[in-house]
Amino acid sequence: KQEVTQIPAALSVPEGENLVLNCSFTDSAIYNLQWFRQDPGKGLTSLLLIQSSQREQTSGRLNASLDKSSGRSTLYIAASQPGDSATYLCAVDNGGATNKLIFGTGTLLAVQP
Amino acid sequence: KAGVTQTPRYLIKTRGQQVTLSCSPISGHRSVSWYQQTPGQGLQFLFEYFSETQRNKGNFPGRFSGRQFSNSRSEMNVSTLELGDSALYLCASSLTDSVYEQYFGPGTRLTVT
Repeated sequence: KQEVTQIPAALSVPEGENLVLNCSFTDSAIYNLQWFRQDPGKGLTSLLLIQSSQREQTSGRLNASLDKSSGRSTLYIAASQPGDSATYLCAVDNGGATNKLIFGTGTLLAVQP
Repeated sequence: KAGVTQTPRYLIKTRGQQVTLSCSPISGHRSVSWYQQTPGQGLQFLFEYFSETQRNKGNFPGRFSGRQFSNSRSEMNVSTLELGDSALYLCASSLTDSVYEQYFGPGTRLTVT
């Protein structure tokens, strides 16, 4: 049974810092991994999707890496801003003829101005 | 291009009642997945529909059901509501399968009293 864990559960950093969020999964046979952000009381915003054959994806100040063999993904945020404050969730899809994401517990990020 | 829309956004129901939530996917998307988010359990997969057929179902009681129409719009129904059904219900749409990103709607906040 796939289990997804995110560390740390919460993180507070001053504006401008570079930071790394971690995501671990127990079953390496994933099809893809997706990073989302969620603002309080809102839905999820997709940030990056990494296919199982890829090692990393980049979008602006965000860079996500994937190491299937070790069951890990990291989300790197460069030059953090207060607007980055949100909960960050990673989710894995084990593939097959279906769409089913298994989510981690999330990291609550606060960027202090 | 319009995003995923969910109606209603907020709902208050009494224990024992039933409720129907609606989700309209992004135009052209044929897969719709439903998730339940609670503080205690996080985000959990409910079910996924593709071309009016349920392709996968999560570990929820039979009180939770859904359907998809020919225009890909989807509804989920919860009968005999319990206090523990209070949650944010999110739907996500995708083109076909795990190759593509899932895009989430803003959610329906259900409160059961």
